[in-house]
Amino acid sequence: AQTVTQSQPEMSVQEAETVTLSCTYDTSESDYYLFWYKQPPSRQMILVIRQEAYKQQNATENRFSVNFQKAAKSFSLKISDSQLGDAAMYFCAYLSNSGYALNFGKGTSLLVTP
Amino acid sequence: SAVISQKPSRDICQRGTSLTIQCQVDSQVTMMFWYRQQPGQSLTLIATANQGSEATYESGFVIDKFPISRPNLTFSTLTVSNMSPEDSSIYLCSVRGGTDTQYFGPGTRLTVL
Repeated sequence: AQTVTQSQPEMSVQEAETVTLSCTYDTSESDYYLFWYKQPPSRQMILVIRQEAYKQQNATENRFSVNFQKAAKSFSLKISDSQLGDAAMYFCAYLSNSGYALNFGKGTSLLVTP
Repeated sequence: SAVISQKPSRDICQRGTSLTIQCQVDSQVTMMFWYRQQPGQSLTLIATANQGSEATYESGFVIDKFPISRPNLTFSTLTVSNMSPEDSSIYLCSVRGGTDTQYFGPGTRLTVL
């Protein structure tokens, strides 16, 4: 089974600054999907960004971008111009191309300070 | 993306009782999923529910404890049976949309006393 590791239980960033959340994964597959989800205190899981493994170009969604390093099996999330509303738990997730279930990391709690 | 609602949003239950959680989607979907998120933990898949067939349970979860219904392509229920305090968790349903992305409902926070 694929494992997803988020090595930073907590991170802190000041408003308007940039922060990078780390994620590594273990797989023997060549085709798969990677996701970052955000879970604010409301507990709603919100999709932040999605990356297909066969695409070399890093995904970007407004202030959110990823650094996808397939050989290193690394998938970090960069949040630019951090806002107070970005404070949440962030989960990295892996989806096999042949499967259906998401494998989640343990999450990183992001605190945004004024 | 799909719009997903869950009922109830939260509940406090006595041990030994059962609770049924409903999940409604605004469009027809083939695959629906039920996850559990224990306090301070990540999400763990309980089962996959396909319309017209029995749910497929992950290791560590059994039908007697977590019976699931999937009567049509927009609705599913998860029952937590014979509850104990260890069942206190957030339960989330999700659906698989286009581009293999899963979308989640708002979750049901269950506390068992």
